[in-house]
Amino acid sequence: AQSVTQLGSHVSVSEGALVLLRCNYSSSVPPYLFWYVQYPNQGLQLLLKYTSAATLVKGINGFEAEFKKSETSFHLTKPSAHMSDAAEYFCAVSDRTGGYNKLIFGAGTRLAVHP
Amino acid sequence: GAVVSQHPSWVICKSGTSVKIECRSLDFQATTMFWYRQFPKQSLMLMATSNEGSKATYEQGVEKDKFLINHASLTLSTLTVTSAHPEDSSFYICSARVPPGRADEQFFGPGTRLTVL
Repeated sequence: AQSVTQLGSHVSVSEGALVLLRCNYSSSVPPYLFWYVQYPNQGLQLLLKYTSAATLVKGINGFEAEFKKSETSFHLTKPSAHMSDAAEYFCAVSDRTGGYNKLIFGAGTRLAVHP
Repeated sequence: GAVVSQHPSWVICKSGTSVKIECRSLDFQATTMFWYRQFPKQSLMLMATSNEGSKATYEQGVEKDKFLINHASLTLSTLTVTSAHPEDSSFYICSARVPPGRADEQFFGPGTRLTVL
């Protein structure tokens, strides 16, 4: 069965510093992988997705993620953090068994950005 | 494109009453919608998958008779929490899967915060 593990429930960085949010997945088939961001009391917004094309995926707001099959990882990075990046980030894998293509979410990582 | 709305954005109700939450895809047709529940500072828990014109598929442990889902059209799915109790208080989020070709991507509504007194 598909699953997602996000290492680190809380990450804190200084403004301008590198952001690295970790995601490892388990999938019995070639995965589709997603990163979503959630601001307080809001729904989820798609940052980027991997769909078996280029392994380095660029998303919105300067974020990118690299799919590494050998490490079963899909870590999210941003070269320089901005205060507005403070939010909850969820990694997800598409579960394409059973016919309904569900998304399986990780537990989430809360990113704090300090001045 | 691919905008999903939810109504209401928040609702407060008395214990024992029923509450209906609407999820609409505004600019596309969604044959499949999903309902999630999110507790404070936790991840999303999938409650059920809603398919237009057929019965919803519930995840294990979710009470079908308590959380009624109806997907009567290609742009509307509703979740009714029947006989709500304080433990049903939560943030409910719906999503819609875009048509084939978008790699299982889901677009999410803004969520509905339910408080049961």
